Amino acid sequence: EAQVTQNPRYLITVTGKKLTVTCSQNMNHEYMSWYRQDPGLGLRQIYYSMNVEVTDKGDVPEGYKVSRKEKRNFPLILESPSPNQTSLYFCASSLLTGNNSPLHFGNGTRLTVT
Amino acid sequence: QQPVQSPQAVILREGEDAVINCSSSKALYSVHWYRQKHGEAPVFLMILLKGGEQKGHDKISASFNEKKQQSSLYLTASQLSYSGTYFCGLQRGSTLGRLYFGRGTQLTVWP
Repeated sequence: EAQVTQNPRYLITVTGKKLTVTCSQNMNHEYMSWYRQDPGLGLRQIYYSMNVEVTDKGDVPEGYKVSRKEKRNFPLILESPSPNQTSLYFCASSLLTGNNSPLHFGNGTRLTVT
Repeated sequence: QQPVQSPQAVILREGEDAVINCSSSKALYSVHWYRQKHGEAPVFLMILLKGGEQKGHDKISASFNEKKQQSSLYLTASQLSYSGTYFCGLQRGSTLGRLYFGRGTQLTVWP
């Protein structure tokens, strides 16, 4: 089944403790992206990647890191999480061919930083 | 750069129609529409490219007015399953890179 898989689904951590949220897709998509969703603010883009070893900042990259060493994986790293990073995170991927490039979203990771 | 969606929320009875608008202050290449049900991931509905085309998906259709830099999503004869939050996403260039989402429109359909 074609899908984007995020892990974990839920994560509670403390301020300053490094964490990684994994994202993997099995559709051979070139494009991958991370979003955070907060009540009333919609989806805000954190980072995106057009292909392996190519990453770019989105709207809210501060406090986050990403890497794209393999086409299928795009982990989100929080080196020193803070409470204002408590949010619902979505990973998404897309095939970059033609003019029709819909995003396929993972099921989300709800992160709480205390 | 975030698009402006209106209305913020709408409540309908089954069978009624609704229009959700999405506007931008900058030139657009394409507009994406997604629906998110409570506790789930956003799901793709349709993409409209510049050129003012209108697309349809069951009883949900959309238009894209390039001159006005605005897109509208039309929900006709709404069903209970249409309930959710609708997001527009704006793509400014021909290649998907930055995709700017609006704050969403919460649609509730009552029987």
